[in-house]
Amino acid sequence: EVQLVESGGGLVQPGRSLRLSCAASGFTFDDYAMHWVRQAPGKGLEWVAGISWNSGSLGYAASVKGRFTISRDNAKSSLYLQMNSLTPEDTAFYYCTKAARMIAMAAEIDYWGQGTLVTVSP
Amino acid sequence: EIVLTQSPGTLSLSPGERATLSCKASQSVSSNYLAWYQQKPGQAPRLLIFGASSRATGIPDRFSGSGSGTDFTLIISRLEPEDFAVYFCQQYGSSLTFGGGTEVEIK
Repeated sequence: EVQLVESGGGLVQPGRSLRLSCAASGFTFDDYAMHWVRQAPGKGLEWVAGISWNSGSLGYAASVKGRFTISRDNAKSSLYLQMNSLTPEDTAFYYCTKAARMIAMAAEIDYWGQGTLVTVSP
Repeated sequence: EIVLTQSPGTLSLSPGERATLSCKASQSVSSNYLAWYQQKPGQAPRLLIFGASSRATGIPDRFSGSGSGTDFTLIISRLEPEDFAVYFCQQYGSSLTFGGGTEVEIK
């Protein structure tokens, strides 16, 4: 069974940093691209960042480019999101997600974690 | 960036009725790389349709997707009580973007 378990969310002050982690299991982690998708409470979905299976290709939404960094450790089957210079607009549930197709970064998402809430507030 | 516009924002229907949801892209979606997701309160989204018209594993055949280029449609042929939820479209032909969602509510 595929499982994606996020951790690292919480309350943080504007301008500070936070690192999210995602522990993956139930599939061959290093065969698939992974993405972070966020959702502000009561709002829609926003793609945040994606990383190819071998970390050779990275992509970011314009709203986070230069502030957030996505990375992965295939030996640990883990995905990360380093978030710097946080603002209240970054407040959201952050979902760790798995691309549906082997190798391809641009793909539909077939598995989602339950999300971790990041709240940016003074 | 490809912008996806979903309509209507809210669809009020009764169980057994047909639901038609629209997703329009600001530019052509490469290879019809368009997916649909269902999200219920307090849950993560669930993949329904990929490649514009292919049902994901375990998705009932009352859900169908169609369209190409910039215009895509999700149809729920006969609404079941568990189908009342929010639906999002997503394109993955050029990076990834999501539409704003359509809520299907009980009339």
